[in-house]
Amino acid sequence: ETGVTQSPTHLIKTRGQQVTLRCSSQSGHNTVSWYQQALGQGPQFIFQYYREEENGRGNFPPRFSGLQFPNYSSELNVNALELDDSALYLCASSSPGTEETQYFGPGTRLLVL
Amino acid sequence: AQSVTQPDIHITVSEGASLELRCNYSYGATPYLFWYVQSPGQGLQLLLKYFSGDTLVQGIKGFEAEFKRSQSSFNLRKPSVHWSDAAEYFCLFNPSGNTPLVFGKGTRLSVIA
Repeated sequence: ETGVTQSPTHLIKTRGQQVTLRCSSQSGHNTVSWYQQALGQGPQFIFQYYREEENGRGNFPPRFSGLQFPNYSSELNVNALELDDSALYLCASSSPGTEETQYFGPGTRLLVL
Repeated sequence: AQSVTQPDIHITVSEGASLELRCNYSYGATPYLFWYVQSPGQGLQLLLKYFSGDTLVQGIKGFEAEFKRSQSSFNLRKPSVHWSDAAEYFCLFNPSGNTPLVFGKGTRLSVIA
């Protein structure tokens, strides 16, 4: 069974640029959630995708957007990057029937200069 | 309001000593409860979870947690800490279904010789 994978592991961007982060869910999981974890903080929920549809969103601006593909992998896109977007971005997958347990990937570390 | 409180920001214990990390939640019913561990620069690894039934749950790496409904608590314990247990520990819950996780702010554990 393959776990949750994320790419890239690290990324450096400058203010105003756009970034795309990718996540492959664990085998058999149809739900993907994205979290932002600033340094020294707990993860903050960005949004969740279930069967290719957005299924809930946290308190993040519209320049944070996402996609989920038919194979349940997912992308997080951030436009017009700001310095405060520097963080560890975590993807978690889950599936109904697994008692709502979310399994996390290793994260993508984004640095915005 | 739904929330998780981890009152201890940082705890230091000696290797071989026992450990208890505190967690209290605020929710109108019994949620799904979890403890995750995060090593520096890594994603979150599930230690254990509680949904129903026996209030003492066993997890990986020798950890256990006890759910106490009367105290709205879900404290994590380990009888003998190893140096490799040094990490950040997050208590969190899933209110219901495939909904956003509610995270505590985390407790950083340091282990000294």
